[in-house]
Amino acid sequence: EAGVTQSPTHLIKTRGQQATLRCSPISGHTSVYWYQQALGLGLQFLLWYDEGEERNRGNFPPRFSGRQFPNYSSELNVNALELEDSALYLCASRIRTGRLYEQYFGPGTRLTVT
Amino acid sequence: QKEVEQDPGPLSVPEGAIVSLNCTYSNSAFQYFMWYRQYSRKGPELLMYTYSSGNKEDGRFTAQVDKSSKYISLFIRDSQPSDSATYLCAIPSGGSYIPTFGRGTSLIVHP
Repeated sequence: EAGVTQSPTHLIKTRGQQATLRCSPISGHTSVYWYQQALGLGLQFLLWYDEGEERNRGNFPPRFSGRQFPNYSSELNVNALELEDSALYLCASRIRTGRLYEQYFGPGTRLTVT
Repeated sequence: QKEVEQDPGPLSVPEGAIVSLNCTYSNSAFQYFMWYRQYSRKGPELLMYTYSSGNKEDGRFTAQVDKSSKYISLFIRDSQPSDSATYLCAIPSGGSYIPTFGRGTSLIVHP
C-alpha cells in the first residue's frame, strides 16, 4: 500500500511569491492534515480537510489556504511569502485506531524563501 | 506556558544505554498521549500511544504517563544506533483529536 505522497520535495521561492504544495493521502483515507515544521518550533498545525471541507484551522494568517479535491488529494497555498515561511511542510492522512486517530505522515516539502 | 513542553536536546548516549525522553503538559484534561519518531528527511511515524495513566510496553520501548505530575516519558532499552532520530510527544485534544506536538528531542546513539 502506497503511503502519503507529497510534491515537490523541495521548493525555492522569493519573498512575495506564491507557493503551491501538493499531497495525496493513503488510499481510502478521506482526511488530510497540513503541518508546518520550522526549525526549533516543532510541528504546528495548519489545516484539516475532510470530505472536501475545511474542518479546522491552526493559528496561521489567511495567506495560508488550501483545498481538498474529490479524490481526497489536497493542495496548500501560501501567498505573499515571507522569509519566516521557510520550513518543512508535512501532510498527513488518518485512520481510526481504537479510540484514537492515527496519522500517517508524508516525507514533507522543504520550502525555502529567499 | 505552552501546552506541551519538550527539551530539544540533543541527547547523546552510547549504544546499549537506557534512554529516557520526557514531556510535560499543562492541560489536566488530556487523556491520550502519543510518541512519534522522525528520522532525518522523513515525516514522523507513530511509535506508540497510551491512554490515561500507567505504563505501556512494546519491545524495547516503554511509554509512561504520570497524570498527577502532568509528565510523560518514553524509555528505550538497549538503545541502538538505528534509534538515532527525533522523538516527538503529541497529545490529541478536543473532539477533532488534532495532536499538539512537543518540539521534539534529538537522540543520538553512538556505537
